Amino acid sequence: AQSVTQLGSHVSVSEGALVLLRCNYSSSVPPYLFWYVQYPNQGLQLLLKYTTGATLVKGINGFEAEFKKSETSFHLTKPSAHMSDAAEYFCAVNLQTGANNLFFGTGTRLTVIP
Amino acid sequence: DSGVTQTPKHLITATGQRVTLRCSPRSGDLSVYWYQQSLDQGLQFLIQYYNGEERAKGNILERFSAQQFPDLHSELNLSSLELGDSALYFCASSLGPLDEQFFGPGTRLTVL
Repeated sequence: AQSVTQLGSHVSVSEGALVLLRCNYSSSVPPYLFWYVQYPNQGLQLLLKYTTGATLVKGINGFEAEFKKSETSFHLTKPSAHMSDAAEYFCAVNLQTGANNLFFGTGTRLTVIP
Repeated sequence: DSGVTQTPKHLITATGQRVTLRCSPRSGDLSVYWYQQSLDQGLQFLIQYYNGEERAKGNILERFSAQQFPDLHSELNLSSLELGDSALYFCASSLGPLDEQFFGPGTRLTVL
């Protein structure tokens, strides 16, 4: 069963505009949630993570995400897009079943239009 | 730079062949993970090792095997290669078996 759903495989925004990348998860237990970024020909870099505590999580490069249990969502936002934000973004969940393997969404490619 | 190194960066081989991918974890990390990223399947967890022992198994084919050596580096062996095995293979490492994972740059495997 799919644990993570990313709505929109491609998102385009203008430089300076709000970035919103959507992620919904399915889990019977409170999961750990992550956003990773992948630049062309590079590995995955952790942007931010939610484990417990404050539901609004701030990450690197001005990104933040909010864990909403009632909506089973963990959407990624950035107030003002920069050209350097163009990349592929992956939402991932760790189901905390005793293993540490991550289940990834299918990814969202962000294009920033100058 | 995450501190995780993977070699080789690129690998081109033919169907039916066998290849070995190598991963060196960050200094001090005891756990190593392997993931496959393909156009068809996306990013999938293959297998995890912790301090030399297999810890968790995901969607790893029987033709694939892995191990973690006493110096903590890991190797992923892929045999009887098929066209569909063409993918980017990532290694990640973490300090403990349940800690944050740091990803290497990946090995791109092309099977012709």
